[in-house]
Amino acid sequence: RKEVEQDPGPFNVPEGATVAFNCTYSNSASQSFFWYRQDCRKEPKLLMSVYSSGNEDGRFTAQLNRASQYISLLIRDSKLSDSATYLCVPMDSSYKLIFGSGTRLLVRP
Amino acid sequence: GAGVSQSPSNKVTEKGKDVELRCDPISGHTALYWYRQSLGQGLEFLIYFQGNSAPDKSGLPSDRFSAERTGGSVSTLTIQRTQQEDSAVYLCASRDPNSPLHFGNGTRLTVT
Repeated sequence: RKEVEQDPGPFNVPEGATVAFNCTYSNSASQSFFWYRQDCRKEPKLLMSVYSSGNEDGRFTAQLNRASQYISLLIRDSKLSDSATYLCVPMDSSYKLIFGSGTRLLVRP
Repeated sequence: GAGVSQSPSNKVTEKGKDVELRCDPISGHTALYWYRQSLGQGLEFLIYFQGNSAPDKSGLPSDRFSAERTGGSVSTLTIQRTQQEDSAVYLCASRDPNSPLHFGNGTRLTVT
């Protein structure tokens, strides 16, 4: 089993839609979680940090399910500018950060 | 303040040559990471430095790859006898204990 697994997508949704991605992780010792956004041919940029059960920032909500070892990212009212690849990365006390392969989102007009 | 700086931004080299990629982390960040990203693929962990501890080299794909971090700041990733499959974007990132990763713009390596 991979350390971090994500559905590669692409998720193709209309503007205004709500879309959710899951990220499953194998290391039960993971303590913190991060969602990054990566645009084509750019470096990843931090979207959200999750240190407890979840986090919400505007249209973006992350929820952590420690029992099932997954973290989800929910995007409400999708914008064209949300089109990107979304990467998740869990962190444990070793601080070795292994990224998921990413989920590609396409928001169409 | 300044972000993570990588150089060169692009590098074209002939198969068999050695290359050095440089990363200048954010000042004060104690941890530094190197990743590789091939076209259309995810981020592949290569190596990670934390303070004065021995680096975690578990992601280096072969003994042609090595990295060092001098004085706890600048890092160089060296690839010896480059192969075409080494062509990728090499991303460096740094963090301090209380922050997530901050990435540089990457070095796009093309081996011809």
